Amino acid sequence: SQQGEEDPQALSIQEGENATMNCSYKTSINNLQWYRQNSGRGLVHLILIRSNEREKHSGRLRVTLDTSKKSSSLLITASRAADTASYFCATGETSGSRLTFGEGTQLTVNP
Amino acid sequence: DVKVTQSSRYLVKRTGEKVFLECVQDMDHENMFWYRQDPGLGLRLIYFSYDVKMKEKGDIPEGYSVSREKKERFSLILESASTNQTSMYLCASSTEGLRETQYFGPGTRLLVL
Repeated sequence: SQQGEEDPQALSIQEGENATMNCSYKTSINNLQWYRQNSGRGLVHLILIRSNEREKHSGRLRVTLDTSKKSSSLLITASRAADTASYFCATGETSGSRLTFGEGTQLTVNP
Repeated sequence: DVKVTQSSRYLVKRTGEKVFLECVQDMDHENMFWYRQDPGLGLRLIYFSYDVKMKEKGDIPEGYSVSREKKERFSLILESASTNQTSMYLCASSTEGLRETQYFGPGTRLLVL
C-alpha cells in the first residue's frame, strides 16, 4: 500500500500566489523528503526533514512535519510559471531500508 | 553536482526482446536504484543495490533482473520484454543511506510493442 499520499492530486494557481501541498503517511518515519519532477524528466530533490524537526526552509520552500498526525506540507511562496511540475513526497520508514514515494501533486502555475 | 545518466531517453522494443537499460553515476555513490513510474501508480521500486555485486529486490522485481559489476554502473535487464513493461524507468543513486536523498537520472521512456 502507498506510504505517502499527496493531496490535492492537482492544483492550479496564478503566478505570485502561494501553493500548498500535503502528504500523509501511515507508519513511523526517519525522514520525509519532497521532490519535483518536470514533465518527462527525472526527479529533483528539494528538501529533507527529519522526524525530530518540525519545520524547514529552503528559499521559497517551507516544509512542515507533524509526526503526531503523520502528515507534512510543502508551501511554495510567490509561485512562478517555472514551478509548474509534479511534486512528490517520499518517506524513509523507520523499519524500512528504502524510500517510498507517493503519487504526486501536479502543480500548474498560470502566468 | 551529482550526475546520473541513463543510456537512452526513449526506447522502442518488440515483445520478447531482451532489453538493457544502463545507468551511470559519477559521484562514487554506494547505493543505486531502479524505479518504474506509471500514471496513477507513482514510483515503484524494482531493484536496488548497496554495493558492487550486491542487489536486493524491491516491490516489483518480477520480469526484471539487474547487474552491478562496477560501482558507478547499475543495469536493469528485461529478460523478455512484454507490453506491460511499457513505462518510464528512472535510475537513482544515493550515498548517505538507502533512506536518504536520492539523485535521479533523466529517465528512459520504454515502449514495448
